[in-house]
Amino acid sequence: AQSVTQPDIHITVSEGASLELRCNYSYGATPYLFWYVQSPGQGLQLLLKYFSGDTLVQGIKGFEAEFKRSQSSFNLRKPSVHWSDAAEYFCAVGALTGTASKLTFGTGTRLQVTL
Amino acid sequence: NAGVTQTPKFQVLKTGQSMTLQCAQDMNHEYMSWYRQDPGMGLRLIHYSVGAGITDQGEVPNGYNVSRSTTEDFPLRLLSAAPSQTSVYFCASSYRGLPPAYFGPGTRLTVT
Repeated sequence: AQSVTQPDIHITVSEGASLELRCNYSYGATPYLFWYVQSPGQGLQLLLKYFSGDTLVQGIKGFEAEFKRSQSSFNLRKPSVHWSDAAEYFCAVGALTGTASKLTFGTGTRLQVTL
Repeated sequence: NAGVTQTPKFQVLKTGQSMTLQCAQDMNHEYMSWYRQDPGMGLRLIHYSVGAGITDQGEVPNGYNVSRSTTEDFPLRLLSAAPSQTSVYFCASSYRGLPPAYFGPGTRLTVT
């Protein structure tokens, strides 16, 4: 069965500092991997996705993630965090068949940004 | 485009009551899905649909029914509410074969 682990429940960084959020997955085949962001009281927004090809994926809002098959990881990074990045971040793994998307989500990492 | 809309935003039910959570999208997406979000558990897939007239179960379908009579609408029905169904419910949509890219704002449901 597929699963996702986000080991950090809560992270605090200073504005302008770099950020790395960890994600480890378990999946029996080539994984499709995703990062979502959820602002307070809002639904989720897709930040970026990895299907195949280049293992460094660029997303919206200046985020990027790197797929490392040997480590079963898909960590999210940002060089310089802005106060507006404070939110909860979810990593997800899943299958995209021809007709359906069935994703398994991690439990999330809450990011706090101090000024 | 309104995107994905959900109603109501908040709802309180008594155990045993039934209700329908509404979800609509105006992007002509084939794929729609329902998730529930519980503290410390991330999002879990309840039911999904790949087009009008086609639905299937996700990870936690018990106690919920869905139907998809039109491309735009995907209501979630709670048949007999239980306290274990207290949660925040999100509807999502996407084009076929793509991950959920558009989520509604959620419905916070409390069952007493």
